[in-house]
Amino acid sequence: AQSVTQPDIHITVSEGASLELRCNYSYGATPYLFWYVQSPGQGLQLLLKYFSGDTLVQGIKGFEAEFKRSQSSFNLRKPSVHWSDAAEYFCAAYHGNTGKLIFGQGTTLQVKP
Amino acid sequence: NAGVTQTPKFQVLKTGQSMTLQCAQDMNHEYMSWYRQDPGMGLRLIHYSVGAGITDQGEVPNGYNVSRSTTEDFPLRLLSAAPSQTSVYFCASSSKGLLNTIYFGEGSWLTVV
Repeated sequence: AQSVTQPDIHITVSEGASLELRCNYSYGATPYLFWYVQSPGQGLQLLLKYFSGDTLVQGIKGFEAEFKRSQSSFNLRKPSVHWSDAAEYFCAAYHGNTGKLIFGQGTTLQVKP
Repeated sequence: NAGVTQTPKFQVLKTGQSMTLQCAQDMNHEYMSWYRQDPGMGLRLIHYSVGAGITDQGEVPNGYNVSRSTTEDFPLRLLSAAPSQTSVYFCASSSKGLLNTIYFGEGSWLTVV
């Protein structure tokens, strides 16, 4: 069965430091992968998505993610974190041609001043 | 504004009561789905639909019913609410096809006491 795993439940980084959030997927066919961000009490905002082609994907707010098929990973990165990046981040995989998403458990990012 | 509209945004229910969470989209999307979000578990799929008259179960369908009588609407019914159904519920929609944007509603916060 298709699954998405985010190994880190909670991450704390200092403002200005680099960030990497991990995401691993399990899927037999070509995966279609997403990263979403959710601020407290808010809905989901799409950061970026990968369908095919270039394995390094650029998103909004200075985020990027790299798809590595050999490692079944789609890690999210940002070179310099801002306090406003504190939020919960979700990795998700598109499940076939049905409009369904399979989500990871989420990673909560805390930013220290 | 075009988009996915969920109502109500907040609701408190007593155990055993029934209610319907409404979801409507005005983008003529074929695909619609309902998710629930719980701490540490990400978003989990409850039910989904690939078109009017067609619905199917997701990962956590127990205690919920859906119907899709029109393309625009996809209501989620709780027949006899239980405290375990306290959660945040998100509705999503997208056009048929792999590359189309998935739109999320703003969420419905439900508390069952």
